Amino acid sequence: DAKTTQPNSMESNEEEPVHLPCNHSTISGTDYIHWYRQLPSQGPEYVIHGLTSNVNNRMASLAIAEDRKSSTLILHRATLRDAAVYYCILSRNYGGSQGNLIFGKGTKLSVKP
Amino acid sequence: NAGVTQTPKFRVLKTGQSMTLLCAQDMNHEYMYWYRQDPGMGLRLIHYSVGEGTTAKGEVPDGYNVSRLKKQNFLLGLESAAPSQTSVYFCASQPLAGTSTDTQYFGPGTRLTVL
Repeated sequence: DAKTTQPNSMESNEEEPVHLPCNHSTISGTDYIHWYRQLPSQGPEYVIHGLTSNVNNRMASLAIAEDRKSSTLILHRATLRDAAVYYCILSRNYGGSQGNLIFGKGTKLSVKP
Repeated sequence: NAGVTQTPKFRVLKTGQSMTLLCAQDMNHEYMYWYRQDPGMGLRLIHYSVGEGTTAKGEVPDGYNVSRLKKQNFLLGLESAAPSQTSVYFCASQPLAGTSTDTQYFGPGTRLTVL
């Protein structure tokens, strides 16, 4: 399985942008890049996903490198509620496959007031 | 729309006891998953189901059994609990794998302690 590499932890100030990096140098052409986050004492929640083009939604933006070997999750204005562990995950788009997500340790984001 | 719910939220067992964790989803999703999360670690897949009446093993299936008799429910059983099974258990559901939107929806978790 293709692996991802993320920093163990990052800090941010409230209301400032945050850029969370992820390296996935062994990504294959059919791998989607997903980001989930896990708030304290909660289950993971979906943030965003993409294949090749940059993506935006109400929660965040995903910037994907041209060679797809790295990506960056961008939180435009961090709030205290954004303090969580962020997981960068590759999933495979095989028809009929189990489709499970392979979680690493993620990046623990701390947000300072 | 409750999403994914898990019962119970907390449980303490003694070694050798058995129990069943219940996961329910009201989104008519085909795929369901059971993960465990140990302290400071990411989630690991225990078992999964691609539809009613089907189950399959994940990464760490030993010591667990599952059943999916109804589409909306996915049960995880521990026949003889061991301290190594102390963990937080998460259930997830997904509309259909193998599509461009492999988004999973997670429940709030069950915190299990085995003494």
